[in-house]
Amino acid sequence: GESVGLHLPTLSVQEGDNSIINCAYSNSASDYFIWYKQESGKGPQFIIDIRSNMDKRQGQRVTVLLNKTVKHLSLQIAATQPGDSAVYFCADRQWTGNQFYFGTGTSLTVIP
Amino acid sequence: ETGVTQSPTHLIKTRGQQVTLRCSSQSGHNTVSWYQQALGQGPQFIFQYYREEENGRGNFPPRFSGLQFPNYSSELNVNALELDDSALYLCASSSGGANTEAFFGQGTRLTVV
Repeated sequence: GESVGLHLPTLSVQEGDNSIINCAYSNSASDYFIWYKQESGKGPQFIIDIRSNMDKRQGQRVTVLLNKTVKHLSLQIAATQPGDSAVYFCADRQWTGNQFYFGTGTSLTVIP
Repeated sequence: ETGVTQSPTHLIKTRGQQVTLRCSSQSGHNTVSWYQQALGQGPQFIFQYYREEENGRGNFPPRFSGLQFPNYSSELNVNALELDDSALYLCASSSGGANTEAFFGQGTRLTVV
């Protein structure tokens, strides 16, 4: 079955530092990936996506890197702010599939 | 705000009862997916509806069923509730094309006692 996992369940960073959240996936047929942010009591919020024909994509303060060789992606958050504190999930989907597979999540805490 | 709305926001049911959860998809989206998120876990796919037809199902028993209406809103029904059904139920809508993002609602927190 599909396995999308995160290397670290928790991460604490100082405000203003950069954060890196990692994710591993197991299905080589996965070709679309999304990072979601989930705050307490809320649904997952779309952050950024990347397709398998890319290895990097940048958004506002966020960058996603995809390494298909080792089935790994990461989310980089620049100048982390207290409002970035949340649980971050990576999710992937296969070209032939219609469901997203989520990892367990990484809890990011930003220390003021 | 994603434009995906779910109701109710919280619900308490007794074991063995039945429950119906509702979702209004984002304007222009014809695909709705339902996910179950247990405490401390990532969302797990239940099923997806595309143009009123079920379009894929995860590893959930038949007592989890759904509907999609002509306006693309959707319902999730769960019969014979069990204590382990306590979770946050999330609805996500998308345009249905390949490699398109899914936008989630705020979820319905179901507690089975």
